[in-house]
Amino acid sequence: DAKTTQPNSMESNEEEPVHLPCNHSTISGTDYIHWYRQLPSQGPEYVIHGLTSNVNNRMASLAIAEDRKSSTLILHRATLRDAAVYYCILRQGGSNYKLTFGKGTLLTVNP
Amino acid sequence: DTEVTQTPKHLVMGMTNKKSLKCEQHMGHRAMYWYKQKAKKPPELMFVYSYEKLSINESVPSRFSPECPNSSLLNLHLHALQPEDSALYLCASSQLRLAGGPAGEQFFGPGTRLTVL
Repeated sequence: DAKTTQPNSMESNEEEPVHLPCNHSTISGTDYIHWYRQLPSQGPEYVIHGLTSNVNNRMASLAIAEDRKSSTLILHRATLRDAAVYYCILRQGGSNYKLTFGKGTLLTVNP
Repeated sequence: DTEVTQTPKHLVMGMTNKKSLKCEQHMGHRAMYWYKQKAKKPPELMFVYSYEKLSINESVPSRFSPECPNSSLLNLHLHALQPEDSALYLCASSQLRLAGGPAGEQFFGPGTRLTVL
């Protein structure tokens, strides 16, 4: 799987937007960009994924650069419950199963 | 029901013990996974089952033995473990691949925290 690079940690204030960056300069044309997060003492949970176009769901938005070498996960209004490790993962379209986690970004949300 | 359950929540075992971890889902997913997560590290894939057959073994030592007795259950049998095997063991499930795309999102259980003495 192609590699992703994320900042080790980020900090935000409650009710403010958060932009979590991810670089994936070696992404291939069939790689999907997935985001998962892991809250303290819980298993990871799916957040969002996309291929080329920006995506929105009830949890977050995913903005994908035109050249697909980077993406940004956007939490529109951070809450204390959003404090977690956020993982940006590339999954090959032909790879059915493998989910290779990188180090992720630890997001701290201040009240 | 969008939940993956894992039992037990915590397990302490000696190096000569035999124990099993259990995972269950009722979402009709035909892919199930075992991950291992050491403290402050990301999860690492161990095994993947699809249609109850082992499809991926990430070179895991034989002291870990997975089993998928039916489409809802996944077990991980443990024998002669080492202290370095102490970790959080996560189970996940997903739908299989949709045409032209990746497999569906993975749903994770809360994990079993294993301590090997």
